[in-house]
Amino acid sequence: AQKVTQAQTEISVVEKEDVTLDCVYETRDTTYYLFWYKQPPSGELVFLIRRNSFDEQNEISGRYSWNFQKSTSSFNFTITASQVVDSAVYFCALSLPSGAGSYQLTFGKGTKLSVIP
Amino acid sequence: SQTIHQWPATLVQPVGSPLSLECTVEGTSNPNLYWYRQAAGRGLQLLFYSVGIGQISSEVPQNLSASRPQDRQFILSSKKLLLSDSGFYLCACSDGTNTDTQYFGPGTRLTVL
Repeated sequence: AQKVTQAQTEISVVEKEDVTLDCVYETRDTTYYLFWYKQPPSGELVFLIRRNSFDEQNEISGRYSWNFQKSTSSFNFTITASQVVDSAVYFCALSLPSGAGSYQLTFGKGTKLSVIP
Repeated sequence: SQTIHQWPATLVQPVGSPLSLECTVEGTSNPNLYWYRQAAGRGLQLLFYSVGIGQISSEVPQNLSASRPQDRQFILSSKKLLLSDSGFYLCACSDGTNTDTQYFGPGTRLTVL
């Protein structure tokens, strides 16, 4: 069975500090997709990144970067020079095919990030 | 790119009353559609998904039901709400190109009293 673990329930950092959110996943499938979503106080889940299981290249987008390591089944997310607007709950998710062209997302429990000015 | 609409945004209902939440999608055709629930302080739970009109798959047995009367319309219903139905309900759709990727609507916050 698939599982996503986000061991950090809550993190607080001071503005401009770097912060890394951890994500560990479990699956027996060889083809899968990994995601990070941001949930600000408004509640909407905002898509941040998609990664397939065959692409281990790290990715950088502005202040965001992601480190995917299949050897440790981890997909960590780093925010550089954090800002108050980064305060949100961040979810890591694993996507696997569930038949008939559909995919099922398994979410971690989320990490609440608070950036203090 | 797709746009997902959900209404109402917030809802307060008494126990035992019926429920109807609506989700509509623009900007894509024949999407996969999903309903999730997020209870207070908890993660997201998949309730239903649909790969086409009239095709509904249920992930968790409960007093909720879903219907897809049109290609880009997904409805979540209940005949009698329970206190435990309170939560934040999110509709999601897949991109027509990458069906593995789900994009979420703004959500409906339901409080059952």
